[in-house]
Amino acid sequence: NAGVMQNPRHLVRRRGQEARLRCSPMKGHSHVYWYRQLPEEGLKFMVYLQKENIIDESGMPKERFSAEFPKEGPSILRIQQVVRGDSAAYFCASSPFAERMNTEAFFGQGTRLTVV
Amino acid sequence: GEDVEQSLFLSVREGDSSVINCTYTDSSSTYLYWYKQEPGAGLQLLTYIFSNMDMKQDQRLTVLLNKKDKHLSLRIADTQTGDSAIYFCAESATSGTYKYIFGTGTRLKVLA
Repeated sequence: NAGVMQNPRHLVRRRGQEARLRCSPMKGHSHVYWYRQLPEEGLKFMVYLQKENIIDESGMPKERFSAEFPKEGPSILRIQQVVRGDSAAYFCASSPFAERMNTEAFFGQGTRLTVV
Repeated sequence: GEDVEQSLFLSVREGDSSVINCTYTDSSSTYLYWYKQEPGAGLQLLTYIFSNMDMKQDQRLTVLLNKKDKHLSLRIADTQTGDSAIYFCAESATSGTYKYIFGTGTRLKVLA
C-alpha cells in the first residue's frame, strides 16, 4: 500500500495562473480531506469529499478554490487566479470510513505551492 | 472559539527527555492527537488519547491529559537526533470529527 500520494510535491505558479493539486487516497479509502498549512501556522481544514460528492466545504475560501473527487482518478484541489497569499503547503488525508478519520486517517506528504 | 496553542521551539540534548506542551479550548473534544512532521514530509500520527483518559504510554512516548486545565503534553524519553521534527497537537472539533484543529506546531531540535 503506497499510502496517500500527492503530486506534485512542489509547484510554482505566477500570480493569475491556475494551480491543480492531486491526491490519490490509500487503497480502499473513499473519504478524502484537504488541509492547508500557511507559513508559521497549523493546518486548517478546507474540504471533505467522498467519491463524486462534496460533503463539507466549510473551510474553503469562497472564491477561486474548488475541489472534486471523481468516480475514477485522484481528488483534485483547484485554485484559479492564484495570489501570493495562496502560497502554502496543501495536505490531503484519506480514511476508509468517515467514522475512522480519528484514528485511521493518513496524511500525504503535501504539495508546497509557491506563488511568485 | 476553538483554538490550540503550543510553544514554537524546544531544544534538548540527546538522551534527555523532551516535554512538548499544548493547550486547547474545546472541552468537548473527543480525541486529542500528536503528529510528527519531518522536513519535507507529511504528517505522521504518533499517538492519540481519548478525552476520558489521563495518560497513555507507548514505548518512549507518554501523553498526559489534564482535562481540568485543558492541557496536553507529550513526553519523549531518551530523545534522539531522529526525533528532531515539528510536533503538532490537534483536537477533533465538535462540528465534525474530520475537522481537526491543529496547533502551530513545536519545532524540536535535538543537540548531539
